[in-house]
Amino acid sequence: EVQLVESGGGLVQPGGSLRLSCAASGFTFTSYWMSWVRQAPGKGLEWVANIKKDGSEKYYVDSVKGRFTISRDNAKNSLYLQMNSLRAEDTAVYYCAAYSSSFYYWGQGTLVTVSS
Amino acid sequence: EIVLTQSPATLSLSPGERATLSCRASQSVSSYLAWYQQKPGQAPRLLIYDASNRATGIPARFSGSGSGTDFTLSISSLEPEDFAVYYCQQRSNWPQITFGQGTRLDIK
Repeated sequence: EVQLVESGGGLVQPGGSLRLSCAASGFTFTSYWMSWVRQAPGKGLEWVANIKKDGSEKYYVDSVKGRFTISRDNAKNSLYLQMNSLRAEDTAVYYCAAYSSSFYYWGQGTLVTVSS
Repeated sequence: EIVLTQSPATLSLSPGERATLSCRASQSVSSYLAWYQQKPGQAPRLLIYDASNRATGIPARFSGSGSGTDFTLSISSLEPEDFAVYYCQQRSNWPQITFGQGTRLDIK
């Protein structure tokens, strides 16, 4: 059974940092680009970042460039998102997803709330 | 940035009826378009990829069509579990991926 399990969400003050993790199982992790997609409360989906199968290429939506860093550890079948200089507008459920021409597998999401 | 505009914003239909959802791109995305279904409190689920290919396990009542800038997701005969929010997503401008704003399919 395919599983993507996110963790690390929570309440953080503006300007603070948070690191999200995503543990993958049930599929060949190294065969997929991996992504983070977020969804603000009551809003639609927004792609955040992608990382290549071997970690050699990384791409970000403009609004998080310079603040967020995506990484992966293929030995641990894990994906990460380091989020710095957090803003209120980063408040959202963050999903990790396995990408192969589309977002094929999704985790259940972890909620990040940026508030004082 | 390629903008995807979905219409209508809300569609109210009864079980057994046919649903037709539209997604229009601000420029051609060829056939690089996917559709997702999201139910309350759940992650999105891939329905259709590359405009017209059903993902694994997706019932045949779901079909996708279109190319270029105009795309359609059709549900031939609505089941109670089909009432949800539907999103389109393009990858033509890889690595910049964008989603439409969603269409809510409500029970009439």
